Amino acid sequence: NAGVTQTPKFQVLKTGQSMTLQCAQDMNHNSMYWYRQDPGMGLRLIYYSASEGTTDKGEVPNGYNVSRLNKREFSLRLESAAPSQTSVYFCASSYLAANTDTQYFGPGTRLTVL
Amino acid sequence: RKEVEQDPGPFNVPEGATVAFNCTYSNSASQSFFWYRQDCRKEPKLLMSVYSSGNEDGRFTAQLNRASQYISLLIRDSKLSDSATYLCVVILYGNKLVFGAGTILRVKS
Repeated sequence: NAGVTQTPKFQVLKTGQSMTLQCAQDMNHNSMYWYRQDPGMGLRLIYYSASEGTTDKGEVPNGYNVSRLNKREFSLRLESAAPSQTSVYFCASSYLAANTDTQYFGPGTRLTVL
Repeated sequence: RKEVEQDPGPFNVPEGATVAFNCTYSNSASQSFFWYRQDCRKEPKLLMSVYSSGNEDGRFTAQLNRASQYISLLIRDSKLSDSATYLCVVILYGNKLVFGAGTILRVKS
């Protein structure tokens, strides 16, 4: 099992460009999450999907959109990148809701917006 | 006030030492508590859940104090491989996780 995979690992964008971060899990998990991690701030939840076909906003959803393509895949889209979106992005998954189950994280995507 | 606060450290300790970290949370309705470990430039991984009665996993002991709204992590007989950032996680309900910014531990020989 590969666990949670993310692509790309690194990305540099110019302000205003768009891109999609891809995430896939092969653990048959129901819930998937997107976080961003900034120095001194801890991980913050952007969006999550409790099950296939549903998505909900987290703490910092502005400037992002998500798609739960199927049970395995959950993508994060930046429509018009801004320097404030420079961060490390982690995708995670869990079999049940986060309050009752372990979250497994992908290796992260390091995004720089110039 | 932040919802979850941790001392950022770093805590520099010699091998074999005992070290403890605290994490305070602001919402008394918080339901679940965890400690995650994050190595440099890697993803977080679950270290242990924190139960009301306290729990132990080898050299690691986690405690919850609901009255004072903090959780703690005690590491005994520190190893070089324990060097990492330790993240406190508090869950209010469902999927609403709040991560602390982390405490850096450096174990030196």
